[in-house]
Parts: sequence; structure tokens; C-alpha cells
Amino acid sequence: AQTVTQSQPEMSVQEAETVTLSCTYDTSENNYYLFWYKQPPSRQMILVIRQEAYKQQNATENRFSVNFQKAAKSFSLKISDSQLGDTAMYFCAPNSGYALNFGKGTSLLVTP
Amino acid sequence: DTAVSQTPKYLVTQMGNDKSIKCEQNLGHDTMYWYKQDSKKFLKIMFSYNNKELIINETVPNRFSPKSPDKAHLNLHINSLELGDSAVYFCASNEGGGGNSPLHFGNGTRLTVT
Repeated sequence: AQTVTQSQPEMSVQEAETVTLSCTYDTSENNYYLFWYKQPPSRQMILVIRQEAYKQQNATENRFSVNFQKAAKSFSLKISDSQLGDTAMYFCAPNSGYALNFGKGTSLLVTP
Repeated sequence: DTAVSQTPKYLVTQMGNDKSIKCEQNLGHDTMYWYKQDSKKFLKIMFSYNNKELIINETVPNRFSPKSPDKAHLNLHINSLELGDSAVYFCASNEGGGGNSPLHFGNGTRLTVT
């Protein structure tokens, strides 16, 4: 079983600034995938970004990028040019096999 | 629209009652899941079905019984509801196997047991 640690329960960032959310995990798998999901107040779960563990290149989706350190089992999410709509809970989730195991989440507040 | 849809969106009921939550996906996915999100927002997997076959059954009271009549549907029936069952329940689906397919979530069912 995988354990996932998101060490920042709450974070705050000003609009247009950059923020990094941390995630570490423990796995015995060699080939796996990692995901970040966001959950805005509407409670909908939305995929933000995906990273394949065998790829050294960090994934990027518009303002969202990851810093993936496989040896350190670290998978942080960087949000550039933060927008008010980025206010949400953010969950890190490694996946191997059938199930995603979620971290406890980081609550991000973007302020004007 | 292609999606994962679950009903009802809200469910308020008394202790001891039996209730069901329905889930349907029209994405053609092979695998469906139930997750429970508690008041602290922690998401924990409960069950997973692949092509109508149960493949994950976490430590969940046997008052919870999933039913998958076909691979597009996964319903959750809960007997003898307790106060601690109050939570948001999410249905999700993906292509399963290999771990590279992201989950597509329904909008959740907020269950309140009084």
C-alpha cells in the first residue's frame, strides 16, 4: 500500500504570485503514475496534472507544473500566476494498479 | 454529455434507515469506484469494481454493499445507517489497470444521518 504525505494543511498566496504545494509518497512500485486533483468549494474533483514515473521530464499544464524527484519520492505542484479561481483543496494521488490513494490535501487560498 | 453521474446529490436520513446511492458512467470505462470523504476532507477508497467484478474491498463495515449490474453502473447500498456514516460519497471511474488512467469523478452525494 502507498502512503501519501501532504505536509501543508493550509497555504495562502496573493493573486499573480507563485506557490508550491508539496507531496511525498512511499511506494514499492517502479512504474507508476502520479496525479494532482483540485476540489473547489463546489466539491467537484478536477484533474490538474499527471506525471508518469518513468519520465524524467516534469509535466506542465499551462500555469501548473510539477517537480518530480523519483529517488526522493517527491511530487510537488507549482502554480504560477495564481488566480482567485485556484482557491481549492489540492490532493496528491499516486496510482499503481487499480486504485488512487489520496493525501490529506492542502487547502489553498488565493487572495486579491 | 459524457460523464459520471450519481444520485441523489443530497441525502438526509435518520439513524437506522437503509439508503442507496446510484452511479452511472457513459465513458466506456471498465473500472468504477466508491470513495468516502469525511468532514476533514480525507478521501478514502471503499470499493472498486472492474467489469462487474469486485477487486478492492477496503475495511468497510458490511452494512455497506456495492452492486454492479453492468460495467456502467455501480450502486452503493447502506443498511442501518449510523451517525458516523455522514460524509460525502464519490463515485468515480477510469479505464483501470496499469495505473495510468486518471479518475473521473461524479459530483458527490452528501449524506447526513440524524
